[in-house]
Amino acid sequence: EDQVTQSPEALRLQEGESSSLNCSYTVSGLRGLFWYRQDPGKGPEFLFTLYSAGEEKEKERLKATLTKKESFLHITAPKPEDSATYLCARGGGFKTIFGAGTRLFVKA
Amino acid sequence: ETGVTQSPTHLIKTRGQQVTLRCSSQSGHNTVSWYQQALGQGPQFIFQYYREEENGRGNFPPRFSGLQFPNYSSELNVNALELDDSALYLCASSVRGGGGEQYFGPGTRLTVT
Repeated sequence: EDQVTQSPEALRLQEGESSSLNCSYTVSGLRGLFWYRQDPGKGPEFLFTLYSAGEEKEKERLKATLTKKESFLHITAPKPEDSATYLCARGGGFKTIFGAGTRLFVKA
Repeated sequence: ETGVTQSPTHLIKTRGQQVTLRCSSQSGHNTVSWYQQALGQGPQFIFQYYREEENGRGNFPPRFSGLQFPNYSSELNVNALELDDSALYLCASSVRGGGGEQYFGPGTRLTVT
């Protein structure tokens, strides 16, 4: 069964303290690895799509990378407004499978 | 460009009742997917609609059903509500054959008592 596992479940950072979030996924039949941001009580907001190992994409303080088995979301010098849940999702056929997310808290 | 909208925002129903949730897709998008998100969990795929037909389904019972209309808007219907159906229901629109990224609405918070 296709799976997506995210770690850690929660991450507390000080403002400016860089870190990375991890996403492990089932490799077979992968059609895109997606990252989303979700604020409390809202729908997920699309951030990145990665298709092949070695691919990287950046947006402001966020950079997503993809290996053959994992994806990482690197957060450089985070600010309090980066606090949210970050969801990783695996595309395959008609079905997108989401991980449980990493809840990021950035303290000023 | 109009984003994905959902209605209602919140809903409270009693166990055994039926509910209909609505979604308007983003302009130019022809595919709609529905997800159920329990508190503290990631979204779980319910089903997807393309050209007014169900295109794929997750592990949800038949009492979860849907429709897509010619303007690509969609409905999610749930019959015989159970307490465990309490969740945030998310609609996402996308372009079939596109990059696979989906654009989500704000969700409908359903509480079953």
